[in-house]
Amino acid sequence: EIVMTQTPLSLSVTPGQPASISCKSTQSLLESDGRTYLHWYLQKPGQSPHLLIYDLSHRFSGVPERFSGSGSGTDFTLKISRVEAEDVGVYYCMQSKEVPLTFGGGTKVEIK
Amino acid sequence: QVQLVQSGAEVKKPGASVKVSCETSGYAFTDYYMHWIRQAPGQGLEWVGWINPKTGDTKYAQRFQDRVTMTRAASNSTAYMELSSLTSDDTAVYFCATIDYWGQGTVVTVSS
Repeated sequence: EIVMTQTPLSLSVTPGQPASISCKSTQSLLESDGRTYLHWYLQKPGQSPHLLIYDLSHRFSGVPERFSGSGSGTDFTLKISRVEAEDVGVYYCMQSKEVPLTFGGGTKVEIK
Repeated sequence: QVQLVQSGAEVKKPGASVKVSCETSGYAFTDYYMHWIRQAPGQGLEWVGWINPKTGDTKYAQRFQDRVTMTRAASNSTAYMELSSLTSDDTAVYFCATIDYWGQGTVVTVSS
């Protein structure tokens, strides 16, 4: 199975400052159809995860422009250009190129 | 708007089975695979399997292969997941999800 590794485990950010989360996969997530099947989710405390970025770099409906996804092949990054208080929670990357679908271990973001 | 509404919390004894439902609305139920994902207390996300609502085809994670059954009722746009031979290790929140949208989660507690 494809193993997803996220770093860091946690992040403490001052509001208005940028934040960056890394995710690495043990196999390329680029499919022959040209899509990269890497997605980013945020799970706020007490809630179910919600989609932020799909297919590597596409912001989901309603997601603020301060969130962006980048990378290629096996190395991926989620960036928040200016962190806001509402961005606290645990961020997960997930691959859907192959079954079993697999997730990174999560990055907990808190506000300083 | 898209909604995935799951059934309520369950408490089961070891060895029992549990069946969780996921009623959908706001989109074409048969157009998107339905995934089931679980999250043990304080832990990350684990994919259980998927069902193709159009055909009924399923794919399960190997560790659940012999004790999970996913079904659907297209007539009421509802997906179901049944997990048998429960142990305390199955205590978790179970989510249905289309990748884009997630249900609110169903808490399953296994305790003697």
